[in-house]
Amino acid sequence: GAGVSQTPSNKVTEKGKYVELRCDPISGHTALYWYRQSLGQGPEFLIYFQGTGAADDSGLPNDRFFAVRPEGSVSTLKIQRTERGDSAVYLCASSPDRARDTQYFGPGTRLTVL
Amino acid sequence: DAKTTQPTSMDCAEGRAANLPCNHSTISGNEYVYWYRQIHSQGPQYIIHGLKNNETNEMASLIITEDRKSSTLILPHATLRDTAVYYCIVRVAASNTGKLIFGQGTTLQVKP
Repeated sequence: GAGVSQTPSNKVTEKGKYVELRCDPISGHTALYWYRQSLGQGPEFLIYFQGTGAADDSGLPNDRFFAVRPEGSVSTLKIQRTERGDSAVYLCASSPDRARDTQYFGPGTRLTVL
Repeated sequence: DAKTTQPTSMDCAEGRAANLPCNHSTISGNEYVYWYRQIHSQGPQYIIHGLKNNETNEMASLIITEDRKSSTLILPHATLRDTAVYYCIVRVAASNTGKLIFGQGTTLQVKP
């Protein structure tokens, strides 16, 4: 079946602009995660949704970052007033229905802030 | 911080077994050992996980020591397509969040 998909695959923006990154989880998966991966580093946790609610947003670096999942399926990561340091690959993962289930990752969105 | 330590890099000859070690000396009784890998420019891919017993699936085997302080991921017949960064992660079994904490991983280079 279809895996986790993320759009766009690449996004180039200018410092100070607003961006939205989209994640389509595997159909039926209720748990959804966002991670960020800087060059040469392992992925770093940002936020976890169980259904529509953010159950753990402890990894969001500051209040410029926000994520939603209004219908419990598709999620959007929103970054306001982008900075050059936000440049990274943003990864989304989903798992069947519980926090302890195996996570399946999408291909990521590469964000470049000029 | 990641609770595991892995060698930075390893080489393996194509067709031979690749044995990737991981130390997790502070692992708790309710924590699983998970392995993921990341091929260049792709998202991480789940490989295998275990609690106490050795595990095997179509991709790999996981050997966990009796004291659970270390483990080894075995790719029985490595191919060039197995070249990737391999991450060993410990994760609480019944976590409220389930977040994965990645370290630097081991870069495995499979050579012809």
